[in-house]
Amino acid sequence: EVQLVQSGAEVKKPGESLKISCKGSGYSFTSYWIGWVRQMPGKGLEWMGIIYPGDSDTRYSPSFQGQVTISADKSISTAYLQWSSLKASDTAMYYCVRRSPAHTYFDYWGQGTLVTVSS
Amino acid sequence: EIVLTQSPATLSLSPGERATLSCRASQSVSSYLAWYQQKPGQAPRLLIYDASNRATGIPARFSGSGSGTDFTLTISSLEPEDFAVYYCQQRSNWLFTFGGGTKVEIK
Repeated sequence: EVQLVQSGAEVKKPGESLKISCKGSGYSFTSYWIGWVRQMPGKGLEWMGIIYPGDSDTRYSPSFQGQVTISADKSISTAYLQWSSLKASDTAMYYCVRRSPAHTYFDYWGQGTLVTVSS
Repeated sequence: EIVLTQSPATLSLSPGERATLSCRASQSVSSYLAWYQQKPGQAPRLLIYDASNRATGIPARFSGSGSGTDFTLTISSLEPEDFAVYYCQQRSNWLFTFGGGTKVEIK
């Protein structure tokens, strides 16, 4: 069974750094792109970027380029999303997603990680 | 960047009624359009991919149609568990975008 299991909720202060994780299981982790999707409170879905764990090729949405870093450790089948300096506007639910073999949609979603940034 | 516009923003219907949701792309996406359902407090789940293919385990009352710039998600007869928010999504080159969503609520 394919599963994407994300790390738990985080509460941080503005200016702090953060790295959240997404562990894949039940499939060949290095063979599928893993992406990240943001959902701000009460809002819609926004695609942030995507990484191919096999060779760490990474692509970002222009809206998120330079704002976050996506990485992966294929030895432990885990992808990461990190911030070097959080802002209150980063408060959101973050989902990791697996890109389908056909490359056009997301066939599996993690359960989400809620990030709250507040002073 | 291709923009997806969903309409209506909210659809108020009763169980058993037919729901018709629209997604319009700012330029052609061929048939590369997917639909997702999101219930409160849950992650979205894939319903339809490549415009008209139901994902594994999705009931036959859900159907998708369209190509190019105009797409439709139809729920033939609403069940109580279908009241949720629905999003369309496309991929063009290396950019993925979602529509703003349609909330299907109980009338």
